[in-house]
Parts: sequence; structure tokens; C-alpha cells
Amino acid sequence: DIQLTQSPSFLSASVGDRVTITCRASQGISSYLAWYQQKPGKAPKLLIYAASTLQSGVPSRFSGSGSGTEFTLTISSLQPEDFATYYCQQLNSYLTFGGGTKVEIK
Amino acid sequence: QITLKESGPTLVKPTQTLTLTCTFSGFSLSTSGVGVGWIRQPPGKALEWLALIYWNDDKRYSPSLKSRLTITKDTSKNQVVLTMTNMDPVDTATYYCAHRLGWFGWFDPWGQGTLVTVSS
Repeated sequence: DIQLTQSPSFLSASVGDRVTITCRASQGISSYLAWYQQKPGKAPKLLIYAASTLQSGVPSRFSGSGSGTEFTLTISSLQPEDFATYYCQQLNSYLTFGGGTKVEIK
Repeated sequence: QITLKESGPTLVKPTQTLTLTCTFSGFSLSTSGVGVGWIRQPPGKALEWLALIYWNDDKRYSPSLKSRLTITKDTSKNQVVLTMTNMDPVDTATYYCAHRLGWFGWFDPWGQGTLVTVSS
């Protein structure tokens, strides 16, 4: 099975901060990676697919990069509505999710 | 517009079998490339993929839960059914279904989820 390790698992940041979340795969997955945002009590929402393609309607302050085994999700200027938990998911086989990164207000 | 909604019992007893139904609209599971997956999330924990079924009846399961899971589809009713046997309190979670397009596609959109509690 392919394992995904997200870091950090928790981060505290202020509005306007640049935030970067890393997702590492235990073996190469090309660009078969998606990022989701989840707010409390809600279903996950797709942000990015194919590692770097922004889903329609998602603000451009979100961006994704990487291929192979290392991927990043960047929020260029954190907004109040961005405080949430973020998950990566590999799409290559057996659809594993990372452990999540909770972004909280500093 | 694609929508999905999960339904099923909110409470099951240990050792019982859980049956969940995902009822969807806005797409057909007879269309090439289309799939529906199930994902769960224990309270306060991470997402866990469970199972996936495609338009051609190809089925995939999480290796760690494969022996307990069965996924089926009813194309005429626009439904996908997941059964999980031998339920345990650790299976308490919110269960989601989601739309997938293609062999390497992402999940979008998701249903609202349904909380299933396993307790005697």
C-alpha cells in the first residue's frame, strides 16, 4: 500500500500568512494527487487535482505543486475562511488519504 | 448538477452488518469512466477510503477491510450500496459517498455524510 505522510499535522497561523503543507508518498505516484479542504461538520471539498490543477471556483491563493513522492499545498495569503483541515489523497492505487493538517488561527 | 446522499441506520450493534445506500443524481453509473466511492471518518480522525465501484462493475476495496466489505450498484435506481459485516465500536464514523471520474480521478463532489454509531 502507498502511505501518505502530511506535515505538519497542526499549524497555527495568522490572516495574511503564507502557509505551506507537505504531503509525502511512500512510493512514486506521478502527479496522481488531490487536495481537499474540510470544515467542521462538513464533507471534504476538492481544492486541487492532478497535483497542481485548481478546481473550478477555488480561489487562486491556493496552489499545489510536486510530483513523484513530494507534494505541497500553498495558501499564499491565509483568509479567515481558510481555517480548516486539509487532506491529500493519492489517486494511483487504493486511494489513500494523508493524516490531515489542521490550520488554526494564531 | 451532481448530488449524492447517504442513508442508512444511525445505530448498529456490535457484530451486526451495516448496509448504507448512496442515492445520486446528475450522472449515470452506466456512463463510461464514472465511479462512486465510499469513504469514512471516525470522530476527530482522518479520512479513510473504503471501496469504489465503476460503471463497468469493476470493484476496488481497501486492503485492510476487503474481507468485510461489499459494494454493489443499481443503475436503474441511481444507487450504490455498501455493506460492512461484523461491525465493531471502532467502526463508528461518518460515512461519505462521492463521485469519481476516471481510473485516476479525484472525488468530487461528496455527499453530506451519515454518522453511524456502533454500540450495544
